[in-house]
Amino acid sequence: DVVMTQTPPSLSVAIGQSVSISCKSSQSLVYSDGKTYLHWLLQSPGRSPKRLIYQVSNLGSGVPDRFSGTGSQKDFTLKISRVEAEDLGVYYCAQTTHFPYTFGAGTKLELK
Amino acid sequence: QVQLKETGPGLVQPTQTLSITCTVSGFSLTSYYMQWVRQTPGKGLEWMGFIRSGGSTEYNSEFKSRLSISRDTSKNQVFLKMNSLKTEDTGVYYCARVSYYYDGYLPFDYWGQGVMVTVSS
Repeated sequence: DVVMTQTPPSLSVAIGQSVSISCKSSQSLVYSDGKTYLHWLLQSPGRSPKRLIYQVSNLGSGVPDRFSGTGSQKDFTLKISRVEAEDLGVYYCAQTTHFPYTFGAGTKLELK
Repeated sequence: QVQLKETGPGLVQPTQTLSITCTVSGFSLTSYYMQWVRQTPGKGLEWMGFIRSGGSTEYNSEFKSRLSISRDTSKNQVFLKMNSLKTEDTGVYYCARVSYYYDGYLPFDYWGQGVMVTVSS
């Protein structure tokens, strides 16, 4: 199975600060069609996960543009510019290039 | 609008079978993949499997032959059945829907609220 390693496990931020979260995979996430199926999700406290970014850098519907995703092959980054209170929670990366689909362990974003 | 809601037993005894229903509205099951994902204290988020818009299925081999995903399109329902439950299967079970964009797809776009399942005697 593809192992997804997220760092750091947790982050303390002040509102308005920018932060980055890393996600590294144990195998390349480039599929045979040339696309990379690496996605980002956010789970706010007590809630279901929700969409953020699909295929490395594409914002899901309704996701603010202070979120951005970059990366390729096995190394990916989620950046949040100007953190807002509603951004707090646990961020997960997920790959759907290889079966079984796998998730990272999460990065918890907390208020400083 | 798109809505998903899981319903299930809450408490299941070890070795018994878990049955969860995901009832959807706002779209047709014949147009979208439906996923099952669980969240356990031991392993975090785990993909369990999906049922394609055409009705075929794909499973995580982690669950070997314990897991079955099916649907009833006339009732807008997707079903998860897993047998031989163990205490480690305790967690929150979610159904989720894919969304298609012009440049790709988001496999876990819409989520249900989840159903907490406790495996205990």
